Formats: sequence, structure tokens, C-alpha cells
Amino acid sequence: GESVGLHLPTLSVQEGDNSIINCAYSNSASDYFIWYKQESGKGPQFIIDIRSNMDKRQGQRVTVLLNKTVKHLSLQIAATQPGDSAVYFCAENSAPRANNLFFGTGTRLTVIP
Amino acid sequence: EAGVAQSPRYKIIEKRQSVAFWCNPISGHATLYWYQQILGQGPKLLIQFQNNGVVDDSQLPKDRFSAERLKGVDSTLKIQPAKLEDSAVYLCASSLGAAGANVLTFGAGSRLTVL
Repeated sequence: GESVGLHLPTLSVQEGDNSIINCAYSNSASDYFIWYKQESGKGPQFIIDIRSNMDKRQGQRVTVLLNKTVKHLSLQIAATQPGDSAVYFCAENSAPRANNLFFGTGTRLTVIP
Repeated sequence: EAGVAQSPRYKIIEKRQSVAFWCNPISGHATLYWYQQILGQGPKLLIQFQNNGVVDDSQLPKDRFSAERLKGVDSTLKIQPAKLEDSAVYLCASSLGAAGANVLTFGAGSRLTVL
């Protein structure tokens, strides 16, 4: 099946720095992408999403960028805080207008105080 | 609003035994999903319900896994008989269910260990 992968399995950043988590996807038909944060012992928590008709979307301290030409998705976290330490997953829908999500492997973000 | 409720949180069984997990989605959410998350991996969809009907169960190992959502609200996922490779966290999620992009809200998961 189609795959959603991440370039780096782990990322360590200093508190206060900006973090960038990257994700490559291979299903060119996907029209919806989403980032989830998963803390230890908890279920994935929604961070931000973006539709394929957009290139960029901003939330509180987070920005998602979508480059459909190279099938690349990134999550930028501004002024990273210790509470941001978690595993981050990108996911895509399996087909246009489909509701289910196909997840990548995840990147573990560690914030160094 | 209340989140997605799952139980039990933890379960340890021996291989060839059976286990059942329960999920109560967010009120009003028509779509319910069961995902399997093996340690170190992303969640993998097992089955998707729209109300009480199955939308997608293509990844469900039907020889041992079964799921139901009889009244279109709560759902149960059963494994019988369990294998060692079934050790994972079983995540339930729900969404409003309209066609197109929907944010899935996940429960905390049920961690299964098969010995």
C-alpha cells in the first residue's frame, strides 16, 4: 500500500528553539494531511491539519507546510517547550474524501531544558 | 465534551486465549475506528464503522479478530485466539463522519500483552 514516512526518527532541540519535523508521503491522491502528537501512555492528539489545496496553515506556535510537488509535509513548532516532547505522527487520508487516516512511523521530539 | 472512552487500559493474556476491548466514542460521532499500534510504529487501521455498518475492514485479520458496533454507538473488538504478535496498543477513535477531511479523536488505548 501507500506509505507515509519520516526522514528522522528522533530529534533533539534546545528549549526555546524552533523545531522542524519532516514527513514524506507517496500517495499523490491524498487530499488531507494531519499531524498528531502522542505522549507516552496516551492516544494521539490532534495538532493541525491541512488540505491539499493549501500550502501552509498556521496554528498556535505550529505551522504545517505542504509541498505537493515533492510530496513533502513538515511541522514547525516555534519556541519549543519541554511539554512538546512527544512522538509526532503525520498522517494522510487513504483516498480523496476518505475519512480514515494512514499513519507514518513517527518522530520522537526531545526538548532539552 | 467527554472524550473517547476505552477499557480495559491494560490486559495481559497467554497466547491462544481471548480478549475483548470496549470503546465508547464521543457523543454524536457517527464514525468509529479501531487502530492497532505496535511499539515503535504508527497506528494501523483495523476497521472503520459508519454508524453500525462496516466501511473498511480490509486490514482486519478476520480469522482471529472481530468487531461490532451493534447500536451505532459503543463498539467491541475481540481477538480469539491471541498470538504473540498481537501485543500492541489498541486505539479507538471517532469522528463526525461527514465525507472528506475529519479530525479523528483518539482514546487513550488498551495495551495488550500476549505471553
